[in-house]
Amino acid sequence: DTEVTQTPKHLVMGMTNKKSLKCEQHMGHRAMYWYKQKAKKPPELMFVYSYEKLSINESVPSRFSPECPNSSLLNLHLHALQPEDSALYLCASSQPDREVKGQYFGPGTRLTVT
Amino acid sequence: ELKVEQNPLFLSMQEGKNYTIYCNYSTTSDRLYWYRQDPGKSLESLFVLLSNGAVKQEGRLMASLDTKARLSTLHITAAVHDLSATYFCAPGRDDKIIFGKGTRLHILP
Repeated sequence: DTEVTQTPKHLVMGMTNKKSLKCEQHMGHRAMYWYKQKAKKPPELMFVYSYEKLSINESVPSRFSPECPNSSLLNLHLHALQPEDSALYLCASSQPDREVKGQYFGPGTRLTVT
Repeated sequence: ELKVEQNPLFLSMQEGKNYTIYCNYSTTSDRLYWYRQDPGKSLESLFVLLSNGAVKQEGRLMASLDTKARLSTLHITAAVHDLSATYFCAPGRDDKIIFGKGTRLHILP
């Protein structure tokens, strides 16, 4: 299994809602990532978990809250988002220290904040 | 801070032609990736370059890395329409990789 899955595929939420994005991989990778990508822009790193511990937080606003319940799962909890947070949210995974095959990306969740 | 400059940002070319995309980065990097992204889709890993002088080829695409010049290239040979996409280079350091702005490649039939 060389796949990263993400749910939901699409999400529309109001500014007062609370929702979560989910990411799952069963490749035994021990590093997992959240990226945000706006249209016609490159992905921007948000968070990195390495061996289930948060190792990088790229100064992301607290309305985004990551969680790594186990080595296969990564969540991104969303609360009180702004319309400018609308974007494609990509999850990726890799084997840390030996990224000979790069990061595997999931299909993304397209988020619209109304 | 690792910065990445990719050029050109947009490239329109005829089928059958050759072209090169350039990727310069600012500080020492221990690996470099090339990714492809089709419109509305996720990213697909094309190449991972791990050492100076590394060259990898897959079909009509060939990637190379010069760590001393902090330069990677993606060369397209005899382009075909199916290669139309956005191509990102992404050097890595420690736990993270930084994406270039991407090259939107449009190949005219």
